[in-house]
Amino acid sequence: DAKTTQPPSMDCAEGRAANLPCNHSTISGNEYVYWYRQIHSQGPQYIIHGLKNNETNEMASLIITEDRKSSTLILPHATLRDTAVYYCIVPWENQGGKLIFGQGTELSVKP
Amino acid sequence: DAGITQSPRHKVTETGTPVTLRCHQTENHRYMYWYRQDPGHGLRLIHYSYGVKDTDKGEVSDGYSVSRSKTEDFLLTLESATSSQTSVYFCAINSHRVGLAGGGTDTQYFGPGTRLTVL
Repeated sequence: DAKTTQPPSMDCAEGRAANLPCNHSTISGNEYVYWYRQIHSQGPQYIIHGLKNNETNEMASLIITEDRKSSTLILPHATLRDTAVYYCIVPWENQGGKLIFGQGTELSVKP
Repeated sequence: DAGITQSPRHKVTETGTPVTLRCHQTENHRYMYWYRQDPGHGLRLIHYSYGVKDTDKGEVSDGYSVSRSKTEDFLLTLESATSSQTSVYFCAINSHRVGLAGGGTDTQYFGPGTRLTVL
């Protein structure tokens, strides 16, 4: 089973920040949080990952709470092309990198 | 895209026929995976490989077999296709990076997918 819970859907206005929450209350100390997204009909795409510190790359920022039980993916200036299903994943340790995909959050960016 | 290709990209076949899907990578990654995706479901792991001739089952392996005779190719075979195997199939590789304090991170990169229809 997936170790994360996410809202099933969210809307965001084009040009505004999209903040996607994720709960992972059973995360252990060495487990990373990963975010992927899947644009319609394409393969999933890696976005970002983090352990305890906030992370930023060219695609997004990841904010992890101090107790590590939740995180937020931030797309600072959402565009229509960011419309996708976003998956927050905490892989099981020592499982050969296997990912368990939950239902994710379907983000709709509207003009 | 980590140099991952899948073939064919689309296939229509009939119930009871054998089908083989191919995943090819160019970057010598050790771990490779096959997932399927159906409406109302996220991606579900079928089989994975952790090296040449080393494979293991995922959560939905019934009706599927895999082979990995060389690092760059991971084949998924449906010995006798059924309509329930109509799906989109994604291949992935794992890029492992060792952390400074030990441990490491695993990032998966996915192929473009194969849409299989079993009539």
